[in-house]
Amino acid sequence: EDQVTQSPEALRLQEGESSSLNCSYTVSGLRGLFWYRQDPGKGPEFLFTLYSAGEEKEKERLKATLTKKESFLHITAPKPEDSATYLCAVQTFLRGATNKLIFGTGTLLAVQP
Amino acid sequence: ETGVTQSPTHLIKTRGQQVTLRCSSQSGHNTVSWYQQALGQGPQFIFQYYREEENGRGNFPPRFSGLQFPNYSSELNVNALELDDSALYLCASSTGTGFNQPQHFGDGTRLSIL
Repeated sequence: EDQVTQSPEALRLQEGESSSLNCSYTVSGLRGLFWYRQDPGKGPEFLFTLYSAGEEKEKERLKATLTKKESFLHITAPKPEDSATYLCAVQTFLRGATNKLIFGTGTLLAVQP
Repeated sequence: ETGVTQSPTHLIKTRGQQVTLRCSSQSGHNTVSWYQQALGQGPQFIFQYYREEENGRGNFPPRFSGLQFPNYSSELNVNALELDDSALYLCASSTGTGFNQPQHFGDGTRLSIL
């Protein structure tokens, strides 16, 4: 069964303290891996798509990387406004619903000033 | 560019009732997917509509049904509501069903079942 696991469940950082979030996946065939940010009471906001091992994407203080079994979201010198839940999702080679996303349970990030 | 909008934002129902949730897709998007997000969990895929046809379904019972209209807006209907249906219901839109199209989410409808 296709599965996505995120760790840690929660992470508390001081402002400026860099760290990484992990997303490991077990799928029959990976079409793409997606990172989203979700603020309380809001829907997920799209951040990145990664398609193949070795690929990297960057946006401001965030950098996403992909291997054959996992993805990392690196946060460099975070600020309090980076506090949110970060969700990882995979898209697989499934008959029908080719755009279906399978989500992990997320990492709740809190950045303290 | 108008994003994905959902209505209502909050809803309270009792067990056994029926509910209809609505979604307007982002301009230019013809595919709508619905997800259920329980508290502290990631979103779970319910089903997807592409050009007014259901294009895949997750592990949800038949009392969860949907529609997509010619303008690509969509409805999610849930019959015989149960306590476990309490969740945030998210709608996401994208262009086509291809794998290289990210889904863009609305802010959801918070459904509470008493």
